[in-house]
Amino acid sequence: AQTVTQSQPEMSVQEAETVTLSCTYDTSESNYYLFWYKQPPSRQMILVIRQEAYKQQNATENRFSVNFQKAAKSFSLKISDSQLGDTAMYFCAFAPAGNQFYFGTGTSLTVIP
Amino acid sequence: DGGITQSPKYLFRKEGQNVTLSCEQNLNHDAMYWYRQDPGQGLRLIYYSQIVNDFQKGDIAEGYSVSREKKESFPLTVTSAQKNPTAFYLCASSKTGTGFYEQYFGPGTRLTVT
Repeated sequence: AQTVTQSQPEMSVQEAETVTLSCTYDTSESNYYLFWYKQPPSRQMILVIRQEAYKQQNATENRFSVNFQKAAKSFSLKISDSQLGDTAMYFCAFAPAGNQFYFGTGTSLTVIP
Repeated sequence: DGGITQSPKYLFRKEGQNVTLSCEQNLNHDAMYWYRQDPGQGLRLIYYSQIVNDFQKGDIAEGYSVSREKKESFPLTVTSAQKNPTAFYLCASSKTGTGFYEQYFGPGTRLTVT
C-alpha cells in the first residue's frame, strides 16, 4: 500500500524566516513523482514543486526547494524568506505509475507578520 | 483561459436526496479525478477516469457514482447511500502518457447535507 505521512499538523514561521515541512512516504515502487501542493484559504489547490524520483538533484522553484532522500523515503519542503501569502495548507503527494495520486493529511502553515 | 470549473461553489441538500456535482475542463486532458476533503484527512480519491466511457473506483467510492460521456466533463453524483456526504469536493484533471503529469484542480464544491 502507498502511504504518505505529514507529521506536522500545524506550523508557524516569522515573516522573512525559513521553514521546513516534512513528508515521508512508503512504497515499493522504484519510479514515481513527488509533489507539494498549496491550498490557501480560497481552497484552490496550487502546485508548488515536483520531484522525479530518478533525479538525484533536488528541485527548486524560486523560494521553494525540496530535500529528497530516496533511501529514507523523505521529501521535505523548504520555504525561504517566508511571505504572508505563504499562509496555507500544504499537501505532500506521491504518484507512482498510472497517474493515481496519494496525498498526505496536510500541514497548516501560518506566516506571522 | 484554460482551466477546470466546478459548480456550484456551495450546495445544500436534504438527507435522502441524490445530488450531482459538475466538473468541466477545457485543458484537453484525458484523465479526470474526484476527491473528497475532510478536516484532518487530506484528499481521498473517490473515482477517476483516464479515458472517455471508462472510470475506476478510488479508495472511497461507496455511495458515489460518476459518468464520463465527454472528454471535458466528469460529473459526480452523491447518492442517498453515502452515509456522510457533507464535505468539500475537488475535481482534478491531468494529461496521460508515458511521463508523469501533475494534476490541475478546480475551485471545489462545498456540499452540506442536513
